[in-house]
Parts: sequence; C-alpha cells; structure tokens
Amino acid sequence: QLQLQESGPGLVKPSETLSLTCTVSGASISSSSYYWGWIRQPPGKGLEWIGNIYYSGNTYYNPSLKGRITISVDSSKNQFSLRLSSVTAADTAVYYCARERAAAGSNWFDPWGQGTLVTVSS
Amino acid sequence: QSVLTQPPSVSGAPGQRVSISCTGSSSNIGAYYDVHWYQQLPGTAPKLLIYGNTNRPSGVPDRFSGSRSGTSASLAISGLQAEDEADYYCQSYDSSLSVYVFGTGTKVTVL
Repeated sequence: QLQLQESGPGLVKPSETLSLTCTVSGASISSSSYYWGWIRQPPGKGLEWIGNIYYSGNTYYNPSLKGRITISVDSSKNQFSLRLSSVTAADTAVYYCARERAAAGSNWFDPWGQGTLVTVSS
Repeated sequence: QSVLTQPPSVSGAPGQRVSISCTGSSSNIGAYYDVHWYQQLPGTAPKLLIYGNTNRPSGVPDRFSGSRSGTSASLAISGLQAEDEADYYCQSYDSSLSVYVFGTGTKVTVL
C-alpha cells in the first residue's frame, strides 16, 4: 500500500529556509505517469498547490512562490524534498506531500501524506 | 488564489441529498480541464473522492457522484450519513495562472 510521510522542523524563524522531506513507501518514486507534489493549507484556510517534481528531476512550481521554492528528488532513498526560502508568517501552514497522477485533463492528488504543521515564528 | 468558488456551507438531514457547486471560468473548468473532488475529515489530510469529473476511486461509495457542465462542476452526496460531515474541495488546472487550483471549500453539516 502506497504511503507518504512528511518530516522536518515544525518551527522556522522568519527569513530562514523551510525544509521538508517526503518519504514514499510501497511504490517506487521512479514510476512513470506520476509526479510528486507539495500542497499546503494555512490554519483554518483552503489548499494551495506549491509545486511538483517528476522522477527525472523536471519541476513545476506555483508562479506565486517561484524564486523561493526548490523541489528535489532522491530516487535512491525514495524521497523528495521541499525548500522554501525567506519565509514569513504567511508561510505558516500544514504542508502535505502527495502523489500526482499525470493526466491530460488535469493532474489529481492521491494519496496524501498525513501533513506536518510548520510555524514561522521567532 | 482560489479561482474556483464553492458555497461556504451546505447542510442536510440524514438520508437526504445535498449538492456542492464549484464555479470556475474560461481558463479552468470552461477550458475543459478536468475537475476532481476531495473530502477532508476534521484533523486529517484530504482524500480523493472523485477524479476526472465523474470517476470514483475504488472504495468510495456510489453515494458520491460528480458532474461538469460549462464553467462549473458539482458534487452530489445522496443518502447523507453522519460520517459525511467534512470539508469538500474541488480542484482543477488554470491555464492563465499555470497552476493547479483548489476551490474555496465547502463544509457539509449533517443535521
């Protein structure tokens, strides 16, 4: 059964870099037809797509966050990672990783990790 | 960045049918990009409910159904049950923003 698990610091200081890793178990991250994505949800608010990566290393980022995001993949560890620089309080959110099913009409996300709360505060 | 609009809340008695709308524009749903739906139970991660406008993943009850028409989509829940109380989000792709977008979310309350 495919499972995803986020890990990383729960507290980050303003202006510093948020770093999270998603560990995939039950399937290879090198599978074709799938991307691996990050989505976040500020407390009490809706969902925002951050970006994704293909096992080859091709990335697609949300233009609103571009310049601050880096998503990378480590196929040997079956992991992919998110780095978000110059964080502010507005980046406080639950961060989810998810498998993105590539589709001509629009990718969808399934399954999701359980999520990890990252708080930006001094 | 929510370009897909949903009603904040809908409610219904057990056994009733409720519907949640997802209104987009010519750069997302109206451009024939598929709509997907997620259920988020309190304190948990979203779960895929409907993909490709009308398809249910294995394990999702057939009480849940999706449709798309023009620049909108809808999720219907028939035979409402207490366990359906959750937040529901639609999702698609927007070609103007070049981003996957989620709806504003709808809280379903079972009376």
